[in-house]
Amino acid sequence: NAGVTQTPKFRILKIGQSMTLQCAQDMNHNYMYWYRQDPGMGLKLIYYSVGAGITDKGEVPNGYNVSRSTTEDFPLRLELAAPSQTSVYFCASTTRGTGNTIYFGEGSWLTVV
Amino acid sequence: QKEVEQNSGPLSVPEGAIASLNCTYSDRGSQSFFWYRQYSGKSPELIMSIYSNGDKEDGRFTAQLNKASQYVSLLIRDSQPSDSATYLCAVYAGNNRKLIWGLGTSLAVNP
Repeated sequence: NAGVTQTPKFRILKIGQSMTLQCAQDMNHNYMYWYRQDPGMGLKLIYYSVGAGITDKGEVPNGYNVSRSTTEDFPLRLELAAPSQTSVYFCASTTRGTGNTIYFGEGSWLTVV
Repeated sequence: QKEVEQNSGPLSVPEGAIASLNCTYSDRGSQSFFWYRQYSGKSPELIMSIYSNGDKEDGRFTAQLNKASQYVSLLIRDSQPSDSATYLCAVYAGNNRKLIWGLGTSLAVNP
C-alpha cells in the first residue's frame, strides 16, 4: 500500500542548480498538491493539479514549475535553486471519494547552499 | 482573504488531562473541516474530519463544529505523552479544491 511516494528524501543543492522532486500516488486521486513548510511554520501551497494536464499556482509558485502528464505523477521542478528554497517539501493527493481527505507523502528535505 | 487561525501555543497539559485545541475560519461557505497531527520531522496525518455541526467522536478524540460561530475544535481525552505534536486545522473554502491551513498549535503532554 504505497500511497504517496516522494523522492528524494534528502538533497543538498548548490545555488543555481536545478532539480526535480518526484511525486507519485497509486490511489487514482485526481487532485495533487505540492506544499513547502519552513521550520516552525505552516504549510504553504506551491502548485496544485485537478487532473492530468491541468495545473495551477498556489500561494508561493515563484521559482518552481510543475507538470501533470499522468494521473499518478506530479513532479516539482526547481530551475535555479536559491537559499530561500531551503525547506521541506510535501506532496499530497486527494479525491472526492475519500471525503476530501488529503494524504501526504513523507516529505523531501532540500538544502540550498 | 480566506483564513484559518489557531493559537500557536505551546499548550501544555499533564498526562491524563483533556487537551482542547481551537480553530476559527473566515469563509462562511466552508463545508469540510479537518484536524491533522504532525510530529517533528514527519508529514501531517489525519486525525479527524467533520462536516456537520455538532460533535464527532473517534476513540480519545472529539471534533466539534459550530458553523454559525465559525469555529472547530479538537478535544483529546486522557492525553498521553505520545500526543505531543503540532495539530493543524484545515478547511476547504467553499467549492475550492484547496485546503486552507492554520499554522498549527503545539501540544506538549507532560508525564
